[in-house]
Amino acid sequence: NAGVTQTPKFQVLKTGQSMTLQCAQDMNHEYMSWYRQDPGMGLRLIHYSVGAGITDQGEVPNGYNVSRSTTEDFPLRLLSAAPSQTSVYFCASSPDRAGGNTIYFGEGSWLTVV
Amino acid sequence: EDKVVQSPLSLVVHEGDTVTLNCSYEVTNFRSLLWYKQEKKAPTFLFMLTSSGIEKKSGRLSSILDKKELFSILNITATQTGDSAIYLCAGDISGNTPLVFGKGTRLSVIA
Repeated sequence: NAGVTQTPKFQVLKTGQSMTLQCAQDMNHEYMSWYRQDPGMGLRLIHYSVGAGITDQGEVPNGYNVSRSTTEDFPLRLLSAAPSQTSVYFCASSPDRAGGNTIYFGEGSWLTVV
Repeated sequence: EDKVVQSPLSLVVHEGDTVTLNCSYEVTNFRSLLWYKQEKKAPTFLFMLTSSGIEKKSGRLSSILDKKELFSILNITATQTGDSAIYLCAGDISGNTPLVFGKGTRLSVIA
């Protein structure tokens, strides 16, 4: 029972580098989303997807790209990492809509940009 | 703009105390309000509230929603050190929009 799998769990990047945070779910969920969590800031939505081929921006999309070529995968790309992107990133999925009590979170990815 | 505001942002109590965490919301097309507990990793679901005045209860935790005044409270009685966590409140909106989270309340329970 894998659920939502995020990789890597920890990453240190230099300013200007690019990288991709991977997110995969094996529950055939249509809805997936990426949040970032900074100290004292709760969870802020970066991008979300309501199905394969469809993505939309959330509250803090700048500096990030996403794509949804398959139902299972929803990678988050940092184009040119900045120290302000140091954060904990959570991927989430849910079966029939973008929220509710059926949302499943990944374990989180801790990213430090130096 | 949809908004969820939690208070207090942090709280320190002694074991055995009762605490009340607050969540107010301004969201369009409100569907439900959710509470999560977050320890070291991902948030875990506590309650979903859709109707005013109906208390949801799970052990020492309970929560209630007031849709007229647009707020919810989460009560924890006889707190234990294991209750130490960040408690997140989120607004669930109709349609495809994902959850709107508040900043969370960091609760520390000391022995």
